[in-house]
Amino acid sequence: GAVVSQHPSRVICKSGTSVKIECRSLDFQATTMFWYRQFPKQSLMLMATSNEGSKATYEQGVEKDKFLINHASLTLSTLTVTSAHPEDSSFYICSATPGTRQTYEQYFGPGTRLTVT
Amino acid sequence: AQKITQTQPGMFVQEKEAVTLDCTYDTSDPSYGLFWYKQPSSGEMIFLIYQGSYDQQNATEGRYSLNFQKARKSANLVISASQLGDSAMYFCAIGNDMRFGAGTRLTVKP
Repeated sequence: GAVVSQHPSRVICKSGTSVKIECRSLDFQATTMFWYRQFPKQSLMLMATSNEGSKATYEQGVEKDKFLINHASLTLSTLTVTSAHPEDSSFYICSATPGTRQTYEQYFGPGTRLTVT
Repeated sequence: AQKITQTQPGMFVQEKEAVTLDCTYDTSDPSYGLFWYKQPSSGEMIFLIYQGSYDQQNATEGRYSLNFQKARKSANLVISASQLGDSAMYFCAIGNDMRFGAGTRLTVKP
């Protein structure tokens, strides 16, 4: 149980276009989902926290107009990279929590590797 | 604000030996959770072990144990009987929103 999927696993897009990444909790309802970005040989950096039905909370330095997050249902959150540039090329990982009292119940997706040409 | 520090960019260990990966943290929250994750080259984040700040005993999960020293604000991961498959990046994280440390690349030598 507690599986989180991401789609696509890899995507290549041209500079200036937009890319949508989906994060789904397959067998539980995710009250909160997190989006991370990881550059090569670096750690995961939290980009934003999204709660179902409300606006995402972005970390300092993350452009909310560039990285659009929608958490429309308890099983789906999407991250849209708008007007992508080569510097947006990175590994994007989502995680989801059912929001129970046990705080370690956070499950990660397999990640999406974005390459902007 | 919460902060996690991993000071070992890379570690080597001989197969079947034990290794300790260091993690220190800083937080003003009275209650918090500490996590260790393994990230192989495939990129997936694999949960290893969790320690709650009020847990009286150090957490253990199979070959993984956590040396939790609350007063020193450290939560070191101990891997016993290392295996070749343990070679990966290891990240320490704190809090519900998972602030990650810089990571330690562990290489197990045959």
